[in-house]
Amino acid sequence: DTAVSQTPKYLVTQMGNDKSIKCEQNLGHDTMYWYKQDSKKFLKIMFSYNNKELIINETVPNRFSPKSPDKAHLNLHINSLELGDSAVYFCASSHQGGLNEQFFGPGTRLTVL
Amino acid sequence: AQKVTQAQTEISVVEKEDVTLDCVYETRDTTYYLFWYKQPPSGELVFLIRRNSFDEQNEISGRYSWNFQKSTSSFNFTITASQVVDSAVYFCALSEGETSGSRLTFGEGTQLTVNP
Repeated sequence: DTAVSQTPKYLVTQMGNDKSIKCEQNLGHDTMYWYKQDSKKFLKIMFSYNNKELIINETVPNRFSPKSPDKAHLNLHINSLELGDSAVYFCASSHQGGLNEQFFGPGTRLTVL
Repeated sequence: AQKVTQAQTEISVVEKEDVTLDCVYETRDTTYYLFWYKQPPSGELVFLIRRNSFDEQNEISGRYSWNFQKSTSSFNFTITASQVVDSAVYFCALSEGETSGSRLTFGEGTQLTVNP
């Protein structure tokens, strides 16, 4: 099936650990995104990549580092996890340009204990 | 800076009622795009509709309809004859311009509960 996939779906870890979330899309899109959804359901952009190049970097702690090995993948690595990092992280992809709808992955629920 | 406001945090209706979800946006751009997404209890985000700033025609898709009014900067969403399966969080979102990787700015979401 064509889709945006994320792994893992759930991630429970201790404060201070380092973890990664992987995202892959097979829709042929050239732009990928990471969004964070907090406990109040508010969704906010974190990063955007176009053709493997970082183009949006919101005010995100530098403990968060996205990596795009190719157009179909955008991974998110988080160092020194903190309690406040607990959230659902959504990967998305789209064709280039603001007019195009973004297709979202199923989300990764990160819980930091 | 762009902003989207969904003033209704929660709405509860009885099945078969019509319900309208409000969305008001702010942007300085003349070219922008408005979206609605649905997030059911299972958690995924489902695209419903896109509208560009030059097209104020209302749209109907089955029981769903959208009313875009630039004069009031609103893009409201109506569900006719609501069903229990419509229960979800609905997000209105805005993106600006044609630049690559334009971000989606989301409203706070409206939790719709349709009771049998």
